[in-house]
Amino acid sequence: LAKTTQPISMDSYEGQEVNITCSHNNIATNDYITWYQQFPSQGPRFIIQGYKTKVTNEVASLFIPADRKSSTLSLPRVSLSDTAVYYCLVGDLPTGTASKLTFGTGTRLQVTL
Amino acid sequence: DSGVTQTPKHLITATGQRVTLRCSPRSGDLSVYWYQQSLDQGLQFLIQYYNGEERAKGNILERFSAQQFPDLHSELNLSSLELGDSALYFCASSVESGLAKNIQYFGAGTRLSVL
Repeated sequence: LAKTTQPISMDSYEGQEVNITCSHNNIATNDYITWYQQFPSQGPRFIIQGYKTKVTNEVASLFIPADRKSSTLSLPRVSLSDTAVYYCLVGDLPTGTASKLTFGTGTRLQVTL
Repeated sequence: DSGVTQTPKHLITATGQRVTLRCSPRSGDLSVYWYQQSLDQGLQFLIQYYNGEERAKGNILERFSAQQFPDLHSELNLSSLELGDSALYFCASSVESGLAKNIQYFGAGTRLSVL
């Protein structure tokens, strides 16, 4: 499973766009890129997933360059309720890479007024 | 609500004891994963089961064991508990195919306190 590197923390004001980048230099051909959000004392929650190019859903966008060695989670117009830890996970679960699953320490996003 | 159910929500026990954590995956999900999250730490993958069989192991201690039953619910057994085992334990489930094959759905967790 590809090792990921993310910033430890980020600060933003309410209403701003936040971009969190994850580096995964040794991503494998079958690996997908998945982002999760975790609030204190709760289980992680799926936000968005992609393989290449750009993916957008109702809460976020995911940008993946052609070499797939990094990805950027974009949160438009954040609010106080977006304060959480965001994890980038790279892998392909069905092909047995779960043995190396690691969420790392994630990026702690703090949104203020 | 993720559809993954974990019980109990809280567990307080003493060192040296044994506890069992239970997880019911989402309907139709065959894979179950167990994670440990200590205070202010990331999630550490422990073990994965697929349709009753162990599929992958992570940093799981020998004092810990798990199983998945025919009805697909899973149990994580922690024995000879130590103070350092105090943590949040999460269960997640996933499907094996289709567009959602790489998405894990997490339960609310069990908070274990070893005194």
